[in-house]
Amino acid sequence: GAVVSQHPSWVICKSGTSVKIECRSLDFQATTMFWYRQFPKQSLMLMATSNEGSKATYEQGVEKDKFLINHASLTLSTLTVTSAHPEDSSFYICSARAINEKLFFGSGTQLSVL
Amino acid sequence: SQQGEEDPQALSIQEGENATMNCSYKTSINNLQWYRQNSGRGLVHLILIRSNEREKHSGRLRVTLDTSKKSSSLLITASRAADTASYFCAIREGNMLTFGGGTRLMVKP
Repeated sequence: GAVVSQHPSWVICKSGTSVKIECRSLDFQATTMFWYRQFPKQSLMLMATSNEGSKATYEQGVEKDKFLINHASLTLSTLTVTSAHPEDSSFYICSARAINEKLFFGSGTQLSVL
Repeated sequence: SQQGEEDPQALSIQEGENATMNCSYKTSINNLQWYRQNSGRGLVHLILIRSNEREKHSGRLRVTLDTSKKSSSLLITASRAADTASYFCAIREGNMLTFGGGTRLMVKP
């Protein structure tokens, strides 16, 4: 079946550094990818929707300059957390929508900012 | 695998009827969440139920959790055409969050 690879699965970084998270659809083309964030004991929250070749659409309250999303090809989207701070520590997960409208999820990235 | 599995894969009902979707999983969980996806949109969170809870309500939604059977159900009462969407369960185990394949619900007016 369709697989979405998300990398890295775990990252620890110092405050002020930037972290890039990759989301790849391995055997299908994803015209749309979604990025979510989940804080401990809370539900998944949609951050942004990205379409290949165009700018991402951010949900209200999500800073686009803080969370840079690039969807350069039909199989790859990246989320860069710029100048990360401890409050950005969270679980980030991507999903990719295939041409048949089904949604497939990455396994998530746990970000810890010291 | 740990993936939650929903059934049915697709469900078609008339407006006003109730819709029930089920989710099964394979091992212990911290919590289980239900989400809705309207066509062309991202996921919308519906309900989170913790492993020590058995039932939760939110408006027309009712979620049950049976940890002995490792299953959960989502009931939508008095369905509306606007409820047409895909519904996903997601299980949280430690640091992992895994989703089922979803149930496509169609509510006919």
